Amino acid sequence: DGGITQSPKYLFRKEGQNVTLSCEQNLNHDAMYWYRQDPGQGLRLIYYSQIVNDFQKGDIAEGYSVSREKKESFPLTVTSAQKNPTAFYLCASSIAGGQENGYTFGSGTRLTVV
Amino acid sequence: EDKVVQSPLSLVVHEGDTVTLNCSYEVTNFRSLLWYKQEKKAPTFLFMLTSSGIEKKSGRLSSILDKKELFSILNITATQTGDSAIYLCAPRGGRGSTLGRLYFGRGTQLTVWP
Repeated sequence: DGGITQSPKYLFRKEGQNVTLSCEQNLNHDAMYWYRQDPGQGLRLIYYSQIVNDFQKGDIAEGYSVSREKKESFPLTVTSAQKNPTAFYLCASSIAGGQENGYTFGSGTRLTVV
Repeated sequence: EDKVVQSPLSLVVHEGDTVTLNCSYEVTNFRSLLWYKQEKKAPTFLFMLTSSGIEKKSGRLSSILDKKELFSILNITATQTGDSAIYLCAPRGGRGSTLGRLYFGRGTQLTVWP
């Protein structure tokens, strides 16, 4: 079955550590996105990529980094520069231009800084 | 600055009630507007609206878009406890670097009591 997989589902990190969240899709989608969701908030865009080897900053990119070396994969690194990293992180993908029904979402990674 | 405002942010009703959720938006290069339901993890797709004045329906849910007033509503009739969720409005960009990008509101938290 085609889909988008995020791992791990839960992640604990000590302050000052970098951590990488995985996002893999087998839908042959060109575009991929990372969102952050805090309690009582909507989804805020961190980074997005419309094609392999290219990506753009979203609205809250500071303290995060990404790579898009393969079409299937769009990992997100939460660096120690991110002041408040505890949040729910959602990855999504879509065909080029995001036509039809918009995004396919992963099931999310809940990151907690301890 | 692009923005999406949903109202109310929180709504508590009893089973059988009818609710109307509101979404106003200002998005550069607007292309379409999507509604999602989020229960615990990944948002699930409800509707995509591209034309003004054409109501989309799915069972007890319906939605309509007003591109002149930059507004959309989501109606749920005869609510059930299973409708309890966060409802997210997401207008989509349609050109250049915003192509395919979804802009999410904060969502409306709907709670339906038995």
